[in-house]
Amino acid sequence: EADIYQTPRYLVIGTGKKITLECSQTMGHDKMYWYQQDPGMELHLIHYSYGVNSTEKGDLSSESTVSRIRTEHFPLTLESARPSHTSQYLCASSDAGVGQVGVLTFGAGSRLTVL
Amino acid sequence: GDSVTQMEGPVTLSEEAFLTINCTYTATGYPSLFWYVQYPGEGLQLLLKATKADDKGSNKGFEATYRKETTSFHLEKGSVQVSDSAVYFCALSDPGQGAQKLVFGQGTRLTINP
Repeated sequence: EADIYQTPRYLVIGTGKKITLECSQTMGHDKMYWYQQDPGMELHLIHYSYGVNSTEKGDLSSESTVSRIRTEHFPLTLESARPSHTSQYLCASSDAGVGQVGVLTFGAGSRLTVL
Repeated sequence: GDSVTQMEGPVTLSEEAFLTINCTYTATGYPSLFWYVQYPGEGLQLLLKATKADDKGSNKGFEATYRKETTSFHLEKGSVQVSDSAVYFCALSDPGQGAQKLVFGQGTRLTINP
């Protein structure tokens, strides 16, 4: 049973379109993350949030933006998609509890193709 | 900065073979170490973890021991099954670098043939 949900699972769009990838979790986790996974499988952190109204850029520069207005919701937006944005985007969350450091729960991913 | 290096893939084995996937790390502090697995079409799942030197993490027949002297966390399984076919990621979380941010290795694709 999935506790973190990503929609859409697959999206094919044209260049210049605005898109939002949705991510919701039902576990009450404070920390949430977006990773970009390239075709070679490598994972790159692009955004993270430690709580409501907190967002930070990750290690890989990205033209996308995120917001965290509610604990359970962490959407990612691309204002103008380009073919270079074609990738799989993985959302994750984690508990701040002792012993849970580094333990992330991942969604199934959103695979984006920009033509 | 912190980094994780995994053995080059892909790895192809026959069912019931012994598996080792090598992982070494570089960290400034005393990291926790993890193995995550990604089955086809899914997100990543935590497979096992170890939080201090000489700890052994284990799950579903997989094991890995935190070796501080060799900065390694190699994944092993004595007898693999077709259902173990997946991509395996080694990762670390370094308290000195923002404990809740994981640094991943490049992933190793494992295929098990019947």
